[in-house]
Amino acid sequence: AQRVTQPEKLLSVFKGAPVELKCNYSYSGSPELFWYVQYSRQRLQLLLRHISRESIKGFTADLNKGETSFHLKKPFAQEEDSAMYYCALDTSNTGKLIFGQGTTLQVKP
Amino acid sequence: DGGITQSPKYLFRKEGQNVTLSCEQNLNHDAMYWYRQDPGQGLRLIYYSQIVNDFQKGDIAEGYSVSREKKESFPLTVTSAQKNPTAFYLCATSPGTGGQYFGPGTRLTVT
Repeated sequence: AQRVTQPEKLLSVFKGAPVELKCNYSYSGSPELFWYVQYSRQRLQLLLRHISRESIKGFTADLNKGETSFHLKKPFAQEEDSAMYYCALDTSNTGKLIFGQGTTLQVKP
Repeated sequence: DGGITQSPKYLFRKEGQNVTLSCEQNLNHDAMYWYRQDPGQGLRLIYYSQIVNDFQKGDIAEGYSVSREKKESFPLTVTSAQKNPTAFYLCATSPGTGGQYFGPGTRLTVT
């Protein structure tokens, strides 16, 4: 079955520390993967697409097909990065997404 | 994302009453989605529609109903059959590829 797994419900780091939010997916075809972020009192918004291979707010994510992973990384966490992060998978090229359970990132001062 | 509106922001209802949540978009996207978000459970898909006058059940459709009479609108009715309706409801749209765009959400409380 197609699935997205985010193994950590909560990730707590100190400001300036590196961050890695894990995402593993289960899909045998060519996936399209996304990271979404939800800051407090704001709507869920797209952070990254693997196709774009861009860096947004210092975050990057690389698709590793061998490990079926799409981990989100940032070398130096900032307090404003504190939010809920969701990894999502599109298997049908229709826009219908399969979401992971989400990881709350807490960056402490 | 300002092109997707959900109203109201907060909604309170008594148990046993049906309630309809509004979702409107001006992005000209064909596909629209409804999710509920509960603490610790992520986003769960309720219903989705990929074209006007057509919609499909998601993972947790029981106790909910939708309609898609216009491209711009995808209202969700939470019926009295929904056993645990108190939640945060999110509407999203998609142009077909490239991910989804979300509305601000409606927090429904049923007592």
